[in-house]
Amino acid sequence: DSGVTQTPKHLITATGQRVTLRCSPRSGDLSVYWYQQSLDQGLQFLIQYYNGEERAKGNILERFSAQQFPDLHSELNLSSLELGDSALYFCASSVESGPYGYTFGSGTRLTVV
Amino acid sequence: EDQVTQSPEALRLQEGESSSLNCSYTVSGLRGLFWYRQDPGKGPEFLFTLYSAGEEKEKERLKATLTKKESFLHITAPKPEDSATYLCAVLSHQGGSEKLVFGKGTKLTVNP
Repeated sequence: DSGVTQTPKHLITATGQRVTLRCSPRSGDLSVYWYQQSLDQGLQFLIQYYNGEERAKGNILERFSAQQFPDLHSELNLSSLELGDSALYFCASSVESGPYGYTFGSGTRLTVV
Repeated sequence: EDQVTQSPEALRLQEGESSSLNCSYTVSGLRGLFWYRQDPGKGPEFLFTLYSAGEEKEKERLKATLTKKESFLHITAPKPEDSATYLCAVLSHQGGSEKLVFGKGTKLTVNP
């Protein structure tokens, strides 16, 4: 157990639907990062939050949004889902921004049918 | 744009057959290079951070080294349990923010 908790582990939904993925960071970590992993693209950075504020944005689609709450847990919202959104979504956390190793959760496998 | 390229994409070894994985990178101002191990269906597990050329780190059968343009992950006398995908990442600083940029990984299979 890495200390980063992601729920749900698996999610199957239809095209056009909206889902919410949840992440609880490791105790004491202020930064939360979201990554998408598909077979052909590898790990792609989506977005980072630090202590409740958006800190960095990557290749995140406009249909996707995220937030970090006062208790530091984070949610990634995916809407108007398409078949191509099927992937593993990982959350990672670190103490703060900078040259520190991230601790990853076990991921949410999203399947859009 | 900062980039990480890993080679080979896949590597098959016999148990005990030592080898190296390569990670070449282009980044404006390296602040850290990271190695992770990922098992199927699981999240990446942190292995090493290297900060400057010439630095080396070891953990059991794994040794990571860093030059100005690439990093190597040396695997000495591997065992079947070392089978996994090994990911390399660099800390990229762009637009006032930082993020880890990952390579696509090397899938290592160690046969008994």
